[in-house]
Amino acid sequence: DVKVTQSSRYLVKRTGEKVFLECVQDMDHENMFWYRQDPGLGLRLIYFSYDVKMKEKGDIPEGYSVSREKKERFSLILESASTNQTSMYLCASSIIAGGYNEQFFGPGTRLTVL
Amino acid sequence: GENVEQHPSTLSVQEGDSAVIKCTYSDSASNYFPWYKQELGKRPQLIIDIRSNVGEKKDQRIAVTLNKTAKHFSLHITETQPEDSAVYFCALANTGNQFYFGTGTSLTVIP
Repeated sequence: DVKVTQSSRYLVKRTGEKVFLECVQDMDHENMFWYRQDPGLGLRLIYFSYDVKMKEKGDIPEGYSVSREKKERFSLILESASTNQTSMYLCASSIIAGGYNEQFFGPGTRLTVL
Repeated sequence: GENVEQHPSTLSVQEGDSAVIKCTYSDSASNYFPWYKQELGKRPQLIIDIRSNVGEKKDQRIAVTLNKTAKHFSLHITETQPEDSAVYFCALANTGNQFYFGTGTSLTVIP
């Protein structure tokens, strides 16, 4: 059973703070993704990574950065948190082999920026 | 990025009736079309997917149809049950390994 875990379920931060969201998967998946989920907007891709130290921008990378030092861990960094980054953040992972494969999601982190 | 339009945004049906959710897209290179179900407070989970070389796929009460010419695909749930109540997301992917999601449909099945 694939397990994708995120470091926090709920997080409250202040404007201007540096925020780290951690995601870990235990199935040796090559691909990892960070999405934000907002009402009426669905899931929007922030960044994804297909290998260690590799990253690609998604649709809304502004204000975010990522780090993938180890295959199982993908971190999302908000360099200077702002109120418009209040959202639900979902991490996901998938394998590459065989074409397109199911994305397995973490439980999400609900971030509030005051 | 790719634009995926999903309709309707909300859907209420009586238990036992059918529910249909439709998504349209623009990139003809898209070739993988999954559907995810997200129950309240839980993570999205894959319920069915279809690849571009297939027109229809069925798994018990759920089915997905794909019309590549018209660039739309639909989720069909028959004999709906209260536990089908959730938010459903369509998605697609192309050769870039990047997924694009629809905006979601909140389905309520009324007992």
